[in-house]
Parts: sequence; C-alpha cells; structure tokens
Amino acid sequence: EIVLTQSPATLSLSPGERATLSCRASQSVSSSLAWYQQKPGQAPRLLIYDASNRATGIPARFSGSGSGTDFTLTISSLEPEDFAVYYCQQRSNWPSTFGRGTRLEIK
Amino acid sequence: EVQLVESGGGLVQPGGSLRLSCAASGFPLSSYQMNWVRQTPGKGLEWVSYIGASGTPISYADSMKGRFTISRDNAENSLYLQMNSLRAEDTGVYYCARDLVAGAKGFDYWGQGTLVTVSS
Repeated sequence: EIVLTQSPATLSLSPGERATLSCRASQSVSSSLAWYQQKPGQAPRLLIYDASNRATGIPARFSGSGSGTDFTLTISSLEPEDFAVYYCQQRSNWPSTFGRGTRLEIK
Repeated sequence: EVQLVESGGGLVQPGGSLRLSCAASGFPLSSYQMNWVRQTPGKGLEWVSYIGASGTPISYADSMKGRFTISRDNAENSLYLQMNSLRAEDTGVYYCARDLVAGAKGFDYWGQGTLVTVSS
C-alpha cells in the first residue's frame, strides 16, 4: 500500500499570505494525485486532480504541481475561507490511499 | 444540482450488520463509477470500496473484504453498502463519493456522510 506523507501537519499563516503544502508518496504515483479541502462538519471537496488540474469551480489561487513521489498544493493568496484541513489522495495503485492531512490555521 | 444523500447509519453491536444507502440525484448514476469512503478517528480518510458504472468491476480495501458488499441500482439511482461482522474500528462517518466522469482521478461529489458507531 502506498503511504502518503503530508507536511507540515499544521501550517499557521495570515490571510493574504502564500501557502505551500507538501505530499510525498512512498513510491511513484505518476501524476495520479488529487487534493481535497475539508471544513469542520463537511465532506471533503475536490480541489485538484491529476496533480495539477483544477476541479470545476475551484478558484485560480489554488494550484497543484509535482509528479512521481513529490507533490505540492499552493494557495497563492489566502482568503479567510481557505483555512481548513487539506488531504492528498493517490489513485495510481490499489488501494487508493489518503494522506493524514495538513491543518491550515489562521495565525 | 448534483446530490448524494446517505442513510442507514447508526449504533450497532460488534458483530452486527448495517446496510448503508446513498440516493443520487441531479445526474445519471449509470454513467459514473462510485465509491464508499470512510473517516475514522484512528485512520482518517480511508477508501472502502469501488463499483463500476454498470456494476462491475468491484473492489474493496483489504480490511473490508469478505465483510462488506457494495452494490448499485441504477434504475433507482441508488448505491448501497452492506456491512457485516462489524468491529469497533469500523466506527466512523461513511461517505458515498462519485468519481470524475473522466475516470479514477478524484471524487468530485460527496454525500454529507452517515455515522456508524460500533459499540456494545
């Protein structure tokens, strides 16, 4: 099973700042990586698929990059509604697995 | 508007059974691969099971094989998860989630989740 390690576990930033979240896979997943945002009491929301493609309706301030084992989710300028938990997921190998998440909190 | 609405969760004793349902609306269920995903205190988000648009293929996470059964009724716009031999570690929120129409690239719609609690 592919293990996805997300870092940092918690990221404290202010609105307007740039956020950089990392997801590292224990073996190559090619570009089969997705990113999700989850707010308390809500289901996860798809942000990025295939490592760099924004899902429908996702603002341009969210971008994804990477391939193989190292991936990054970047939020260019944080809005108040962006403070949440972010998860990565790989769909390359069975079983699909998720990372443990990065909590993005207001500084 | 695309909607997925789960039901069927609740409190069950260890070794018991539950059947979860997911009612889909706003899109043709028959065109999409579907999944169950759970979120537990111990393991976080965990993919549970997958079913192809027409009912095959089907796959399960290892810890669910032989205990859980996924099925769908496209005519009724519904997805199901039969869960048997439940264990304490199965406690969590269970979501149904739709695959992107392009295939296994990400879950673009999720239900609100249904809570399953396994406890004596």
